[in-house]
Amino acid sequence: KAGVTQTPRYLIKTRGQQVTLSCSPISGHRSVSWYQQTPGQGLQFLFEYFSETQRNKGNFPGRFSGRQFSNSRSEMNVSTLELGDSALYLCASSFEQRADTQYFGPGTRLTVL
Amino acid sequence: AQSVTQLGSHVSVSEGALVLLRCNYSSSVPPYLFWYVQYPNQGLQLLLKYTSAATLVKGINGFEAEFKKSETSFHLTKPSAHMSDAAEYFCAVTHGSGNTGKLIFGQGTTLQVKP
Repeated sequence: KAGVTQTPRYLIKTRGQQVTLSCSPISGHRSVSWYQQTPGQGLQFLFEYFSETQRNKGNFPGRFSGRQFSNSRSEMNVSTLELGDSALYLCASSFEQRADTQYFGPGTRLTVL
Repeated sequence: AQSVTQLGSHVSVSEGALVLLRCNYSSSVPPYLFWYVQYPNQGLQLLLKYTSAATLVKGINGFEAEFKKSETSFHLTKPSAHMSDAAEYFCAVTHGSGNTGKLIFGQGTTLQVKP
């Protein structure tokens, strides 16, 4: 069974641009969670989707948004990029909304110049 | 509210020595606890998890952890370190009722293994 897939793996953007990251969960998984990892703040929860609905949201500004499609694939969007948005963005999927059955993808490394 | 504190951002051991990575948690509800490992430029790999069954949990690659409610701790150990264990390790907590994918992570501990 294929693991969680994230595309692209690496991305370079400039300040003020917007970016969309994609996460394809393990086949059959219906829940996707997103995390931001930075050297200063560590791993922080962004949001969680289950059956196309956002079920939980972390403490991030409104520039960070996401959605989930009917096939459970998820995208997250960051508008008006700032230097501080440079990070590794990780997604994780599970069959239901359960952290104890969650698998992580390899991440997308976003660099904002 | 839940939180995790990992004591020591860097731990260095010799190959063959005991590995001990410390994690203390705070939770107002029964927690589920996890240890993850991250190698450079990779995602998170689950080492082991506590989900309210046995308090001594065995994981992959010879790691184990013991849930101690009285000490609010979930320390990770391995009897004998290998060079391949060098990585960053994260302790995480979530609500023990399940029904959420949200994890609260500690700041991480980088394990260095010296030959």
